[in-house]
Amino acid sequence: KNEVEQSPQNLTAQEGEFITINCSYSVGISALHWLQQHPGGGIVSLFMLSSGKKKHGRLIATINIQEKHSSLHITASHPRDSAVYICAVKGASGSRLTFGEGTQLTVNP
Amino acid sequence: KAGVTQTPRYLIKTRGQQVTLSCSPISGHRSVSWYQQTPGQGLQFLFEYFSETQRNKGNFPGRFSGRQFSNSRSEMNVSTLELGDSALYLCASSLGPNRAPGNTIYFGEGSWLTVV
Repeated sequence: KNEVEQSPQNLTAQEGEFITINCSYSVGISALHWLQQHPGGGIVSLFMLSSGKKKHGRLIATINIQEKHSSLHITASHPRDSAVYICAVKGASGSRLTFGEGTQLTVNP
Repeated sequence: KAGVTQTPRYLIKTRGQQVTLSCSPISGHRSVSWYQQTPGQGLQFLFEYFSETQRNKGNFPGRFSGRQFSNSRSEMNVSTLELGDSALYLCASSLGPNRAPGNTIYFGEGSWLTVV
């Protein structure tokens, strides 16, 4: 079992839909990152969370430390949101990141 | 300010050769980490440097090495290349290896390595 599990692996939505991507982890962490990767490779860090909830524009990220679970929500999805979304955790005792397998999101117009 | 810069962006090498990849972090960032991304294994941590010292190393063979210079620029080297080393190599920088608010990580565009 991977230390970081994401679901779903693939997600197709219609423009305007509300989207949720889930991340569960099995180790103690000091922080959790949500990353976005577009074709071509570049990765952007969307959020870094250690507790609670963060919001940036149409994106919302939440984390429940007790349940070892985080969610990334996209409200009013748009085709430009199409990308791979990756959950990554930073261990409690170190600084290395462990990654989920990613969620391929496709938003159709 | 300029982002994380990785060079070269694309390269093709033959088995047995070695390769050196370069990463220039965002100005003021002292922590640089390297990752390998392949279709089969996803993203995997290679190593992390802070103030010219390797702080952490992933589960990769000794053929993979790196270093960091006094200006925080970092290089990684892969010797005796194998076909399985074909991957996207990503570098990321941050202020330092802590979890202070705002200490997020910034990734470069990556170096695409193909080994033939």
